[in-house]
Amino acid sequence: AQSVTQLGSHVSVSEGALVLLRCNYSSSVPPYLFWYVQYPNQGLQLLLKYTSAATLVKGINGFEAEFKKSETSFHLTKPSAHMSDAAEYFCAVGSGNTGKLIFGQGTTLQVKP
Amino acid sequence: GAVVSQHPSRVICKSGTSVKIECRSLDFQATTMFWYRQFPKQSLMLMATSNEGSKATYEQGVEKDKFLINHASLTLSTLTVTSAHPEDSSFYICSASVRVNQNIQYFGAGTRLSVL
Repeated sequence: AQSVTQLGSHVSVSEGALVLLRCNYSSSVPPYLFWYVQYPNQGLQLLLKYTSAATLVKGINGFEAEFKKSETSFHLTKPSAHMSDAAEYFCAVGSGNTGKLIFGQGTTLQVKP
Repeated sequence: GAVVSQHPSRVICKSGTSVKIECRSLDFQATTMFWYRQFPKQSLMLMATSNEGSKATYEQGVEKDKFLINHASLTLSTLTVTSAHPEDSSFYICSASVRVNQNIQYFGAGTRLSVL
């Protein structure tokens, strides 16, 4: 069985500060991992994905994530937060051939001026 | 590319009526679409997997007679909430899969359903 745990339901940073959103996964097979962002009353937008290629994945809007198999982690980072980054972020793991995604509980990112 | 359109974005209906939500892949063909439900401040809960030309596969605990899913073409899936009640009020999101074996999904903007 696969699962995703996002540590910290709420993260607050100052504008210009480093953003770090944590995600740990459990999977019995090599995982596909994703980060999505959701703005209020909208669907999910794909930020980046890991599909067994390079372990450091670069996404949109300056975000990146590093796949660490030994730590079963896929943390999301951004060097400098913008006010527009304030949103809900979801980490997800793919469950293989079914195409299903299993989502973490989400982390609300607040960016203070 | 990979745009998914979901309609309507918001619907208000009376208790006992049925509501249909459409999910379209605009610039690609999607053999598989997914329907999710999201409660306030919570994560997405997968309701069902919709495959073109076949019956949908529902997750445990989801009433298939309450939430009717039709995937008649490679670009359209519909979710009908039948005999809606206030407890069905929620945010419903669809997604379409480009490469099922890589779990890549593109999401619609969601539908806010309010049942009075």
